[in-house]
Amino acid sequence: EPEVTQTPSHQVTQMGQEVILRCVPISNHLYFYWYRQILGQKVEFLVSFYNNEISEKSEIFDDQFSVERPDGSNFTLKIRSTKLEDSAMYFCASRAGTQVGEQYFGPGTRLTVT
Amino acid sequence: AQKVTQAQTEISVVEKEDVTLDCVYETRDTTYYLFWYKQPPSGELVFLIRRNSFDEQNEISGRYSWNFQKSTSSFNFTITASQVVDSAVYFCALSEVVDSSYKLIFGSGTRLLVRP
Repeated sequence: EPEVTQTPSHQVTQMGQEVILRCVPISNHLYFYWYRQILGQKVEFLVSFYNNEISEKSEIFDDQFSVERPDGSNFTLKIRSTKLEDSAMYFCASRAGTQVGEQYFGPGTRLTVT
Repeated sequence: AQKVTQAQTEISVVEKEDVTLDCVYETRDTTYYLFWYKQPPSGELVFLIRRNSFDEQNEISGRYSWNFQKSTSSFNFTITASQVVDSAVYFCALSEVVDSSYKLIFGSGTRLLVRP
């Protein structure tokens, strides 16, 4: 069964460093998302991406964040200068088509900023 | 404004008990979708069900059942004869058709602990 994959599973970085979180969505899916979950809290929407551009972003997704689909398979989230409060689990998700179908989530990347 | 409320923070039951997880939502849209996801201790998010706003039929899948009531804006989830493997955090989520990104708005989750 096709699945969303994410690497790395855990990333530790120092405050102020840049990190890139990588995702490989399900191959025939068209919509891609990043969500984050601070430990013990709810899952929060960060950004959606369709047709090679951002379709929506939340207030959390400020200028420190960017997304890219550099080739036909990868979808990346970059945090330019990490802060302590960026420590969270980051989930990538993908959805098949134009109907509101279910989003399939990757296993997540736990980002720890020290 | 869209919002999902899961008032039960944590529920603890003994194995084989039935348990219902509550979900109440707010939306400005007449067409929307509701979802339940399971987050086991390993941390991944597992899709359980999607229901659109025009389909108020209750659904049953094995030990799982869902009760959608538009009149009370609720989409409750019942696990019958709970098992230890059901222990997880369960999230209810909403997606609006008017929202072109179809992003998911999650509730705060209910942690279910099933004791042997």
